[in-house]
Amino acid sequence: QQQVKQSPQSLIVQKGGISIINCAYENTAFDYFPWYQQFPGKGPALLIAIRPDVSEKKEGRFTISFNKSAKQFSLHIMDSQPGDSATYFCAASRAGANSKLTFGKGITLSVRP
Amino acid sequence: KAGVTQTPRYLIKTRGQQVTLSCSPISGHRSVSWYQQTPGQGLQFLFEYFSETQRNKGNFPGRFSGRQFSNSRSEMNVSTLELGDSALYLCASSPLSGGNTGELFFGEGSRLTVL
Repeated sequence: QQQVKQSPQSLIVQKGGISIINCAYENTAFDYFPWYQQFPGKGPALLIAIRPDVSEKKEGRFTISFNKSAKQFSLHIMDSQPGDSATYFCAASRAGANSKLTFGKGITLSVRP
Repeated sequence: KAGVTQTPRYLIKTRGQQVTLSCSPISGHRSVSWYQQTPGQGLQFLFEYFSETQRNKGNFPGRFSGRQFSNSRSEMNVSTLELGDSALYLCASSPLSGGNTGELFFGEGSRLTVL
């Protein structure tokens, strides 16, 4: 049972466009929702994260929108650049010292110049 | 500050062999988590160690094991290798234990190929 599902599986966007990646989760106990970015040959790195007490968080060109009732959250990349081409993973975790971060399968974003 | 260091970066093994991978976390980080990354399954959690104790374990067979030393360095071992074990094994460190306590800092991974 996949607890965190991403869509679409891949995404191609023109430079300057908006990239939108969606994530749905099943466990209502989840209370931490990060997005990780991974470039080829590198490990994933935290991009932005949100907790359910807010519906939106913005950092530069990156915004997380969170919909608790729908159990969904999404990543918006404004003014997408070729340098944003990477694999993006959403993840979720519940509280507790023994909790784990559960990742989605990842989506590959290509930003065309 | 040095990042997470994983060794070896690449290795090739044959079926039935065993392999040991090493991870040195960021200085001061006491939690080390291991993930298996494959194209079809994404990032799958293997286990987490904090202060030399296994805190959590994913749904992998007993052939996958790990340990953490007093200096927070960690190793994972896979015995009786199977073709399906071919993957990128990622180590991540953080100051605190638990999945929702903040950022995981990943290494660049160890790429294992099983022939």
